[in-house]
Amino acid sequence: QQPVQSPQAVILREGEDAVINCSSSKALYSVHWYRQKHGEAPVFLMILLKGGEQKGHEKISASFNEKKQQSSLYLTASQLSYSGTYFCGTETFSGGSNYKLTFGKGTLLTVNP
Amino acid sequence: DTGVSQDPRHKITKRGQNVTFRCDPISEHNRLYWYRQTLGQGPEFLTYFQNEAQLEKSRLLSDRFSAERPKGSFSTLEIQRTEQGDSAMYLCASSLGAASGIKDTQYFGPGTRLTVL
Repeated sequence: QQPVQSPQAVILREGEDAVINCSSSKALYSVHWYRQKHGEAPVFLMILLKGGEQKGHEKISASFNEKKQQSSLYLTASQLSYSGTYFCGTETFSGGSNYKLTFGKGTLLTVNP
Repeated sequence: DTGVSQDPRHKITKRGQNVTFRCDPISEHNRLYWYRQTLGQGPEFLTYFQNEAQLEKSRLLSDRFSAERPKGSFSTLEIQRTEQGDSAMYLCASSLGAASGIKDTQYFGPGTRLTVL
């Protein structure tokens, strides 16, 4: 089942903060966050494993709430370079491989000067 | 480290023709994945290899699609008798696999954009 991302789009002024959410209806093994700019490949940001840990990458951090089956990506003091579409990819417990990722539809982030 | 590479970057074909895409993973990466991405959507899993073994295929992968990874290095994705609905970006990703422990990370290539006329 595809995870649900919210919001679908957000527009920021440089320096503002944003939160992107990712929710799953199934128990999660891990959550992977990627950023994709138009016409380019998705770029890996961070991976979160069950256990509620919080990871950081520059001014971008994320949390993973295993009980609620959701993850949030926090972008603080946004920069123009943060613009792009953010995807969460989830690994769920299933009878098959644990290695495939199921991606949400993405959140389009636009940072303006 | 040159990253994941894919060839060609763009392919325009007529309906009914066969097309083949190539993916070269990051060297020493044991796992290789194929995804398909359409406009406004996230990547959709198609299939995955552990070395040369194809371990999982999505139900999205019809009989017209076939993927191989001979010798566990590069991989090819072939689409036979293409349909207009096959138009999409085909992304390849690779990961280190078991050696990375439980934090295995997938790195994506630039993709092949297929347009079926």
